[in-house]
Amino acid sequence: DTAVSQTPKYLVTQMGNDKSIKCEQNLGHDTMYWYKQDSKKFLKIMFSYNNKELIINETVPNRFSPKSPDKAHLNLHINSLELGDSAVYFCASSVSGTSGGGKFFGPGTRLTVL
Amino acid sequence: QKEVEQNSGPLSVPEGAIASLNCTYSDRGSQSFFWYRQYSGKSPELIMSIYSNGDKEDGRFTAQLNKASQYVSLLIRDSQPSDSATYLCAVNDPNFGNEKLTFGTGTRLTIIP
Repeated sequence: DTAVSQTPKYLVTQMGNDKSIKCEQNLGHDTMYWYKQDSKKFLKIMFSYNNKELIINETVPNRFSPKSPDKAHLNLHINSLELGDSAVYFCASSVSGTSGGGKFFGPGTRLTVL
Repeated sequence: QKEVEQNSGPLSVPEGAIASLNCTYSDRGSQSFFWYRQYSGKSPELIMSIYSNGDKEDGRFTAQLNKASQYVSLLIRDSQPSDSATYLCAVNDPNFGNEKLTFGTGTRLTIIP
């Protein structure tokens, strides 16, 4: 009955590799997000999709490409991984509009680039 | 640049006392304010949202908002060891409704038994 799920939970890889993280929510929310939390615990939005449409694209390198096949799924593909990409990546979902805003976060994917 | 500032702590509070967590924000247009709790190694969990000036109470938690002072706080009454966590303040970017939140760096709270 997990509300927002992510796979994998841990990802250890070499510099230069390409990797993907998958996210699914069963809350019926229409908006999904990717957040990055660095080693100092600073949580920053990367992307936001509403009903499969990209609505927020922060200053993120082109190596990061989100894809939303439907409004319950949002995946993140990362090309040519760099050491600085090491962080915890959280998927989240919410209901759009003024009554929403409260984000429900997945368990996170801890990415370590060696 | 829109900022959300929190005292990083650690903040140590005896069990049973009131824990007071503070947050200031820079964008006067922000309308929505949230408090998240994050246990070590876990994901952030929404515990309170507040949209109007004044106090909002939910169980042992009270959120306080003062838009004129650009200040939002969280009070935890009868603190329990299970309240030990990092508390993140989040504020909306009015250009994106509630879709884009700016988070503070969090305050680490430790409840001492």
